[in-house]
Amino acid sequence: KAGVTQTPRYLIKTRGQQVTLSCSPISGHRSVSWYQQTPGQGLQFLFEYFSETQRNKGNFPGRFSGRQFSNSRSEMNVSTLELGDSALYLCASSLTSAGANVLTFGAGSRLTVL
Amino acid sequence: GQNIDQPTEMTATEGAIVQINCTYQTSGFNGLFWYQQHAGEAPTFLSYNVLDGLEEKGRFSSFLSRSKGYSYLLLKELQMKDSASYLCAVRGNNNDMRFGAGTRLTVKP
Repeated sequence: KAGVTQTPRYLIKTRGQQVTLSCSPISGHRSVSWYQQTPGQGLQFLFEYFSETQRNKGNFPGRFSGRQFSNSRSEMNVSTLELGDSALYLCASSLTSAGANVLTFGAGSRLTVL
Repeated sequence: GQNIDQPTEMTATEGAIVQINCTYQTSGFNGLFWYQQHAGEAPTFLSYNVLDGLEEKGRFSSFLSRSKGYSYLLLKELQMKDSASYLCAVRGNNNDMRFGAGTRLTVKP
């Protein structure tokens, strides 16, 4: 059974550009969550999608957006990149987001903003 | 607001026992999770608690007290491969999962 796949694994952008990251969940998983991980802040919750609907959103500016497709694949977009957006972006999937459902994480997309 | 607090770093000796604490104040509670993350890798699931008490899984145990907003992860018979970050996470009322900043554990010979 394939795990959670994130692409690209590494990318370098410059300030002001925009970036799109992709996440393919485990087959059958309908919930996809996105997190930003930085050394000082740990994992910060960005948003969660279930059946193409955003169900939860963290405290990030509107420059951060996402969507989920009918096959449960998800993308997140960051516009007008800032230096502080440099981080590891982790995607996690689960069957649903309720109760004991465990998040399974992808390897992440490491974004460097110059 | 939501706060999930855990120590930043801990050091322990191979073969010993270490307890990593986590305190939380969140909007609702639908379970507490512990994850392990080795450097450069994705977090992996260790344990889940939703009721008060101790859950044991091999060398790892996790405890929860909902009234105190407190959990701990207990690692026994420490091995060098246990050197990693340990993340405490709480699932809130909206079923969103929020993480603490993580505790970096170093196991020394």
